[in-house]
Amino acid sequence: AQKITQTQPGMFVQEKEAVTLDCTYDTSDPSYGLFWYKQPSSGEMIFLIYQGSYDQQNATEGRYSLNFQKARKSANLVISASQLGDSAMYFCAMREGVVTGGFKTIFGAGTRLFVKA
Amino acid sequence: KAGVTQTPRYLIKTRGQQVTLSCSPISGHRSVSWYQQTPGQGLQFLFEYFSETQRNKGNFPGRFSGRQFSNSRSEMNVSTLELGDSALYLCASSLGRQGVNTEAFFGQGTRLTVV
Repeated sequence: AQKITQTQPGMFVQEKEAVTLDCTYDTSDPSYGLFWYKQPSSGEMIFLIYQGSYDQQNATEGRYSLNFQKARKSANLVISASQLGDSAMYFCAMREGVVTGGFKTIFGAGTRLFVKA
Repeated sequence: KAGVTQTPRYLIKTRGQQVTLSCSPISGHRSVSWYQQTPGQGLQFLFEYFSETQRNKGNFPGRFSGRQFSNSRSEMNVSTLELGDSALYLCASSLGRQGVNTEAFFGQGTRLTVV
């Protein structure tokens, strides 16, 4: 069963506008972590933001915020004021393992974001 | 602080050969995870090591193996290479605390091409 689902293979956004990248997840673990990573064409994965399953507030890091809706099992990434340098592949990831003890982080298929000038 | 270092960056091997990839984590990090990234399958978890012990393993054949040394450096080995093993192999290091809030830092990857 797919644990992390990113339904948008590609997204376009105008420079300086906000964009939301969707992510839904599935887990039976009571404790889990949700992450977003950015992968530019160079290949390196860059950590953007983290949300814990017990966190009451939505996480924010600069222009990045995570819209966490636990009941809906969604963890959408919002990028405000898009910049040309934001053009990249974005991955949603989940770390689980409290129940099994075998911690691992699994990734969604990714969303390619194109920022237009 | 130096980041995660993966060597080599690029590798070309022939079917049937074996290959060893290396990953040096961030100083002080004790956990290393390996991922295979392909256009068709995306990012797939290979294994995770902590203090020289494999903590978890993904669904890959036994041709894929790994180990971690006492200095936290890790190697992964692929034997009897197949064309389908062509991929970007990413290594991630983290402090390794038992928990779900462990942020992972990635290296730039090793791009393996099997011909």
